Amino acid sequence: TQLLEQSPQFLSIQEGENLTVYCNSSSVFSSLQWYRQEPGEGPVLLVTVVTGGEVKKLKRLTFQFGDARKDSSLHITAAQPGDTGLYLCAGEGGGGYQKVTFGIGTKLQVIP
Amino acid sequence: ETGVTQSPTHLIKTRGQQVTLRCSSQSGHNTVSWYQQALGQGPQFIFQYYREEENGRGNFPPRFSGLQFPNYSSELNVNALELDDSALYLCASSLQVNTEAFFGQGTRLTVV
Repeated sequence: TQLLEQSPQFLSIQEGENLTVYCNSSSVFSSLQWYRQEPGEGPVLLVTVVTGGEVKKLKRLTFQFGDARKDSSLHITAAQPGDTGLYLCAGEGGGGYQKVTFGIGTKLQVIP
Repeated sequence: ETGVTQSPTHLIKTRGQQVTLRCSSQSGHNTVSWYQQALGQGPQFIFQYYREEENGRGNFPPRFSGLQFPNYSSELNVNALELDDSALYLCASSLQVNTEAFFGQGTRLTVV
């Protein structure tokens, strides 16, 4: 069974601060995705990383895939209240169908 | 372009009953995946349907079953409901297997 561990589980910061959240596994994934989920909504895809060592930027968000494709990080610069939400990482192990394993998520609160 | 829609949005059932949840996939999408998200957890993969056939299944008992119709909409059926089945049930559709998945807002099921 492929497991994804996310840390920290909870994070409360002031507007303007920087933060990094982590997603780690002992398994190799063919791709890894980051989602943001708001209360009462389904997850919304932020980015997919595929290549080991890959770095992708989405405005103030920077995503990195580990060289061994077992871990990933999400860095947010100058956090804003609109960044508040549950950040989920999800790994796809391949195998011919889209079985995606999700982590438990990091619940981020950005205080104005 | 119509997104993924799920119905109902909320549902309360009694232990032992049966429930059917519905999902309309995004226009043009032939693949639907179902996930269970318990409170404070990440989504857990239940199964995937591709062109009306089950195309992969997670670690859920046989009382969780599904269907996909010719228009690619889908149903999730759960028999003999247990208290632990209380969760947010998410449906995600994608253009093809292993392409980006778009999630619906979910159905919140409460079993009492």
